[in-house]
Amino acid sequence: GEDVEQSLFLSVREGDSSVINCTYTDSSSTYLYWYKQEPGAGLQLLTYIFSNMDMKQDQRLTVLLNKKDKHLSLRIADTQTGDSAIYFCAVLNDYKLSFGAGTTVTVRA
Amino acid sequence: DGGITQSPKYLFRKEGQNVTLSCEQNLNHDAMYWYRQDPGQGLRLIYYSQIVNDFQKGDIAEGYSVSREKKESFPLTVTSAQKNPTAFYLCASSIGGQGQETQYFGPGTRLLVL
Repeated sequence: GEDVEQSLFLSVREGDSSVINCTYTDSSSTYLYWYKQEPGAGLQLLTYIFSNMDMKQDQRLTVLLNKKDKHLSLRIADTQTGDSAIYFCAVLNDYKLSFGAGTTVTVRA
Repeated sequence: DGGITQSPKYLFRKEGQNVTLSCEQNLNHDAMYWYRQDPGQGLRLIYYSQIVNDFQKGDIAEGYSVSREKKESFPLTVTSAQKNPTAFYLCASSIGGQGQETQYFGPGTRLLVL
């Protein structure tokens, strides 16, 4: 099956950019997603990219996809305290979403 | 106001008891999913349903059961056979069909064992 790996923790200063990285194993993945989870809440869809794209920008969020290396990243510009959360990378094959373990982002003043 | 609702927010289970978690959506989505989340891990798929009156096992279906009698509802029963049920349970839905697989999540139910 699909393996999705993420680093577990990221600490960033308020106002700086955050970059969260993800690697996956199945090159036939169609869509790749980033979800945000705040404490005690469900997952909020942040953005996604189709596998034939290499970049997508949506306001403060930039997604980069390197299909050759099976590497996905999420850049958050001008990180704010409200961006503190767990971020999940998820990869779609057919109907099935495979999730990474999540990256806990802590924003410090 | 469209969305996915899950109830209750917290649920307590006694030994040997079956409990049912509710998931309702008014998005007119065909497909619905149940995931389990444990601390420090990604989500794992329990069951999914792509259409009414049909459902399939996911990666960790043992000890769980579901039904899909109505398009908007996909309840999950945690049976006494599930020996380690303490977790956060998340329901999701998608429009369904090729190119329409983006999943949207409910707020979750936390299940605790007494």
